[in-house]
Amino acid sequence: DIQMTQSPSSLSASVGDRVIITCRASQSISGYLTWFQQKPGRAPKLLIYAASNLHSGVPSRFSGGGSGTDFTLTINSLQLDDFATYYCQQSYTAPYTFGGGTKVDVK
Amino acid sequence: QITLKESGPTLVRPKETLALTCSFSGFSLSTIGVAVAWVRQSPGGALEWLGIVYWDNDKRYSPSLQSRLTFSKDTSKSQVVLSLTNVGPMDTATYYCAYTSGLFTEPLDHWGQGTLVTVSS
Repeated sequence: DIQMTQSPSSLSASVGDRVIITCRASQSISGYLTWFQQKPGRAPKLLIYAASNLHSGVPSRFSGGGSGTDFTLTINSLQLDDFATYYCQQSYTAPYTFGGGTKVDVK
Repeated sequence: QITLKESGPTLVRPKETLALTCSFSGFSLSTIGVAVAWVRQSPGGALEWLGIVYWDNDKRYSPSLQSRLTFSKDTSKSQVVLSLTNVGPMDTATYYCAYTSGLFTEPLDHWGQGTLVTVSS
């Protein structure tokens, strides 16, 4: 199985901050990387697919980058609505494993 | 508009079989490329990918659950059924089904609301 490692596991930030979350795959996954946002008691929501493509309706302050084994999710100018947990997932080879999540909370 | 909804028991006894149904609308599971995946999340835990069933009935399962897990699709009813045998406390989780159109990297872009299943005697 491909292991997905996110860092940090949690972070505290303020509204307006720039936040960067990293995701590392245990082997190359090309660009087969998806980012989700999840709020407590809610289903995950798709943010970014194919490493850097913004899903329809997602604010442009979210961006993704990387390829191979190292990927980033950047949130520019963090908003109140962005405090949540973020997950990466690889879809290169089944099982399509998720990272352990990064919780973004209020500083 | 694509919607999915999970249904099934909220409480299952240890060693029994859990059966969950994902009922969906807005797409057909016979359309080329389309797939429905299952994901679960234990209380306070991370997302765990369980598997996926494709339009052509191809299936992929998590190796850790493969011996206990089965998916079946009923295209005419717009449903996918998850069957998990010999459940234990570690199977207590919220179970989600999710849709992908199969575009490029198969992102899961529509999710059900999830259903919480507790395994307890």
